[in-house]
Amino acid sequence: GAVVSQHPSWVICKSGTSVKIECRSLDFQATTMFWYRQFPKQSLMLMATSNEGSKATYEQGVEKDKFLINHASLTLSTLTVTSAHPEDSSFYICSAVKYNEQFFGPGTRLTVL
Amino acid sequence: DAKTTQPPSMDCAEGRAANLPCNHSTISGNEYVYWYRQIHSQGPQYIIHGLKNNETNEMASLIITEDRKSSTLILPHATLRDTAVYYCIVRGGTASKLTFGTGTRLQVTL
Repeated sequence: GAVVSQHPSWVICKSGTSVKIECRSLDFQATTMFWYRQFPKQSLMLMATSNEGSKATYEQGVEKDKFLINHASLTLSTLTVTSAHPEDSSFYICSAVKYNEQFFGPGTRLTVL
Repeated sequence: DAKTTQPPSMDCAEGRAANLPCNHSTISGNEYVYWYRQIHSQGPQYIIHGLKNNETNEMASLIITEDRKSSTLILPHATLRDTAVYYCIVRGGTASKLTFGTGTRLQVTL
């Protein structure tokens, strides 16, 4: 199998606080994970590529100081939204790569008040 | 990766076959056609992929035209649980990066 989990599944936070989202590959090791963001009624937009043991690669227009990614082990990548604001409210989805294929997590819905 | 074009929405009666088209006229020789679907408020789910031959698995069939400029995903007996947004994606064989377009919103009705 290739199961990917995310935690939490949803989170509500106050403006200005930081939120950490975890992405875990449960039954395989993944040297590469991806983070996507999806606004309502829109498609998934790739935010960054997370590589174990090295710095993440961010897509154009994504602020690396705002969206901190840490891929400290072969089964865990974390995305921290720093100083979150209402415009950061979105559905955040991760995926993990196994045998050159992406397997997606269930997503995390972030609401910033 | 090549760009894809899909109709924004389609309807299908439950029990009938759902045929979802995708145009990828700029596809190059080493690029695969992938299909994913996303049920509301969930992560995308892999359906099927192919290079040039038709493919079939337990979920669907993928028909790729001989010139590879278009393809059709076929759900042979659609159910209400197949209501989702279906994404057709073209990607290189050695690259795992995926670029999602706008997809086709399939509504299966009674």
